Amino acid sequence: QVQLVQSGAEVKKPGSSVRVSCVASGGTFSGYAVNWVRQAPGHGPEWMGRILPVLGIANYAQKFQGRLSITADTSTGTVFMGLISLTYEDTAIYYCTRDRGSSSYLFAYWGQGTLVTVSS
Amino acid sequence: EVLLTQSPGTLSLSPGERAALSCRAGQSLTNTFLAWYQQKPGQAPRLLVYGGSSRATGIPDRFSGSGSGTDFTLIISRLEAEDFAVYYCQQYDSSPPTFGGGTKVEIK
Repeated sequence: QVQLVQSGAEVKKPGSSVRVSCVASGGTFSGYAVNWVRQAPGHGPEWMGRILPVLGIANYAQKFQGRLSITADTSTGTVFMGLISLTYEDTAIYYCTRDRGSSSYLFAYWGQGTLVTVSS
Repeated sequence: EVLLTQSPGTLSLSPGERAALSCRAGQSLTNTFLAWYQQKPGQAPRLLVYGGSSRATGIPDRFSGSGSGTDFTLIISRLEAEDFAVYYCQQYDSSPPTFGGGTKVEIK
C-alpha cells in the first residue's frame, strides 16, 4: 500500500515563502511522478506541477511559473514543494499525489494534505 | 487548458436513491482520460473511476462511470450513508490536468 506523508501545517506572512515535504512509504516513489495539487477553501483541486524524482525533471502549471519549485531528494525519498511571494490567495491545503502506474496525471495516491495559511 | 463543468452543483437525495452526476468537457477528450474522485470533509480526494469507466481498486460496483468525447456521467446506483460527499471529475487527457468545480451529494 502506497502511503504519502506530508509535513505539518504552516502559517506564513504575505510576501514570504513556504516549503512542504512529502515522503513515500518505503522511502521511494518507485519511479513514478509526484504531483502537487492544492485546494483553496470551498474550491475544487488545482494542479500545480510535478516531478519525476529519478530524473529530477519538473514541470509547472503556467499559473505558478516563477513562483513554484518542486525538487526531490532521492537519498531520502522526499519531494519538496516550495512557493515564494505568498499572497492571501495561496491559503489552501496542499497535497502531494502519485500517479497511478504509467498514467500521467491520474492521481491514485494522495498525502494527508498540508494546510498553508497566509495571514498578516 | 480543458475546462470541466459539473452539474448539478448540489444533489439532494435519500439513501437508497440513484444519483447521476454530469461532467462536460470544453473540448473532446480523445483518449477518454476522465477520472472521478470522492472527497469527504477533512479528507483528501479518493480516486473512484478512471478512463471514463474503470473502477479503481476497492471501489464498490454501485459506482459506475460512462461517457466519451465531451460528456461523462458518474452513477451511484443506490446511495449509502457513506456516499454523501463531494465528487469531482478530472481530465488527464492533456496537460495541464484540470478538475471540475464539484457536485455535492447531500442527504435530503
